[in-house]
Amino acid sequence: SQTIHQWPATLVQPVGSPLSLECTVEGTSNPNLYWYRQAAGRGLQLLFYSVGIGQISSEVPQNLSASRPQDRQFILSSKKLLLSDSGFYLCAWSVAGTSLGSNQPQHFGDGTRLSIL
Amino acid sequence: GESVGLHLPTLSVQEGDNSIINCAYSNSASDYFIWYKQESGKGPQFIIDIRSNMDKRQGQRVTVLLNKTVKHLSLQIAATQPGDSAVYFCAEPGSWGKLQFGAGTQVVVTP
Repeated sequence: SQTIHQWPATLVQPVGSPLSLECTVEGTSNPNLYWYRQAAGRGLQLLFYSVGIGQISSEVPQNLSASRPQDRQFILSSKKLLLSDSGFYLCAWSVAGTSLGSNQPQHFGDGTRLSIL
Repeated sequence: GESVGLHLPTLSVQEGDNSIINCAYSNSASDYFIWYKQESGKGPQFIIDIRSNMDKRQGQRVTVLLNKTVKHLSLQIAATQPGDSAVYFCAEPGSWGKLQFGAGTQVVVTP
């Protein structure tokens, strides 16, 4: 069966410090991968998605970047964190579908709670 | 633009009663919908999905109804239990499997 792991579960960082959040998926090959941010009591905002190694698409301009160095590894990074980067970060995967989308659910990790001081 | 949204921000339900969570969508071409449950401090958990060629789909204690005429779907939870307390999202996949989420409905189960 497929599993998705995110770490760390919680993180407290000072403003201006770098960030690296990691997500790995097991039990599937060539998944679509996604990073979301969720503000308290709000819905999910898609930040990045990837349909293959080295391929990253950004949904919103921001202080963050993403990379996919391996097929089942997705990393969210920042060189200098801002207060506004605080939030709950979720990684998700889905089965790779046709080029214009697929009727497949996304499966989420348990998230990283990031607090910027 | 096209969107998927929820009608009620909070739903209070007595334990043992049935819950109904509603969702409206605006894109008449939408052909697939997903319901997620998110417990506090956790990631969303897939509950059930439905394709547009269906009006109803049942799972374990959950039923999703799709009314394409009025562009509305609902999630029904039978015999609501304390463990059902969570935020429920409907979502619609777009290109490349991206999901568009509503703000969610908080379900609170009271004894």
